[in-house]
Amino acid sequence: QSVLTQPPSVSGAPGQRVTISCTGSSSNIGAGYDVHWYRQLPGTAPKLLIFGNKNRPSGVPDRFSGSKSGTSASLAITGLQAEDEADYYCQSYDSSLSVPVVFGGGTRLTVL
Amino acid sequence: EVQLLESGGGLVQPGGSLRLSCAASGFTFSTYGMSWVRQAPGKGLEWVSGISDSGGNTYYADSVKGRFTISRDNSKNTLYLQMNSLRVEDTAMYYCAKESVGSWEINWFDPWGQGTLVTVSS
Repeated sequence: QSVLTQPPSVSGAPGQRVTISCTGSSSNIGAGYDVHWYRQLPGTAPKLLIFGNKNRPSGVPDRFSGSKSGTSASLAITGLQAEDEADYYCQSYDSSLSVPVVFGGGTRLTVL
Repeated sequence: EVQLLESGGGLVQPGGSLRLSCAASGFTFSTYGMSWVRQAPGKGLEWVSGISDSGGNTYYADSVKGRFTISRDNSKNTLYLQMNSLRVEDTAMYYCAKESVGSWEINWFDPWGQGTLVTVSS
């Protein structure tokens, strides 16, 4: 059971907008710690998508956006494309744990 | 271009040992913390271990504490993970990742290596 909860799967048609939630608690997201997002295409390594809640690394299209509110964070993808089909993970810090890094369980995005 | 290249994975029997390496290039290795993150087949990401830029501070997940040792050689731009007393549940793809500049509270990982597969089986 992950400290950060993500839906196992989401889906959308090409061109649509989808959101992936990452729900935490008062010891991680709710305490104000940053949330970061990664995308993992099938058979490849994870790649940074969003850092510091809402910032995109260079090269990441503005179709991807991040937000945070209360004990949750969200990743939004607009203009869905077939190549967006991948697994998405959120990551943060939890002050109540002995480990400095926590990941969400991951969300599989299917483009219909 | 920043690159991380892992090696050293393979098939090992339960109770055995392996040493993973991660060769870094394209950035000043000695000024960044580094981590190992693993992914069991069909499962999510699990942070395993991290080390500060100088190597003076190391951190471990409870699941590997006492069995794994992280280290680095800044003269060789290489990160290591010595894995002893391996268990079946350690079977996973192991990724090395460069940490962002900052404390654990704000740390993110970019980039990641391509991974090296460790299989623990009799």
